[in-house]
Amino acid sequence: SQKIEQNSEALNIQEGKTATLTCNYTNYSPAYLQWYRQDPGRGPVFLLLIRENEKEKRKERLKVTFDTTLKQSLFHITASQPADSATYLCALSNTDKLIFGTGTRLQVFP
Amino acid sequence: GAGVSQSPSNKVTEKGKDVELRCDPISGHTALYWYRQSLGQGLEFLIYFQGNSAPDKSGLPSDRFSAERTGGSVSTLTIQRTQQEDSAVYLCASSQQQGARTEAFFGQGTRLTVV
Repeated sequence: SQKIEQNSEALNIQEGKTATLTCNYTNYSPAYLQWYRQDPGRGPVFLLLIRENEKEKRKERLKVTFDTTLKQSLFHITASQPADSATYLCALSNTDKLIFGTGTRLQVFP
Repeated sequence: GAGVSQSPSNKVTEKGKDVELRCDPISGHTALYWYRQSLGQGLEFLIYFQGNSAPDKSGLPSDRFSAERTGGSVSTLTIQRTQQEDSAVYLCASSQQQGARTEAFFGQGTRLTVV
């Protein structure tokens, strides 16, 4: 069955460092991959979208890579700040429904 | 409206009762999703509406769950004979196009507590 895996353990890093989050999938060939941020008590908020024929996408301090051979996406936040602390979710789709991973909680310490 | 609106924001119900959760998507968005999120967990897909196509109900956990979308706009998720394990936050999202071609916009969710 289709599976989307993100690190279940929280990622703790120091302010100013680069945070790298991983999204792995199996039994799936997504055409699109998205990353969302979710704060406690709120709905997820869209960050970045990358297509299967794109290797990398950037937006300000964010960078996403998409490796369809490894079936993996990496999400990087450079020069991390305490305000970046949140849960980050990856989501995949072919051309229909959007399926989410379990999310990874990021904690940035000053 | 400015965003996706869900009501009620909180709902406490007795076990065995039926509940209806409402979602008002962004005007013009053809795709609408319902997800369930238990405490500390990821988003569990429930159902997906796309335009006039038959909805994808593959995520509904039991026949106690149903959803409809009237006129391609407002959607209601109905849970019959609620059980304690139905307690969760129910999130609705809409997007301009099907699948993940464009971003999905989420509502604030309805927190359902079954006592």
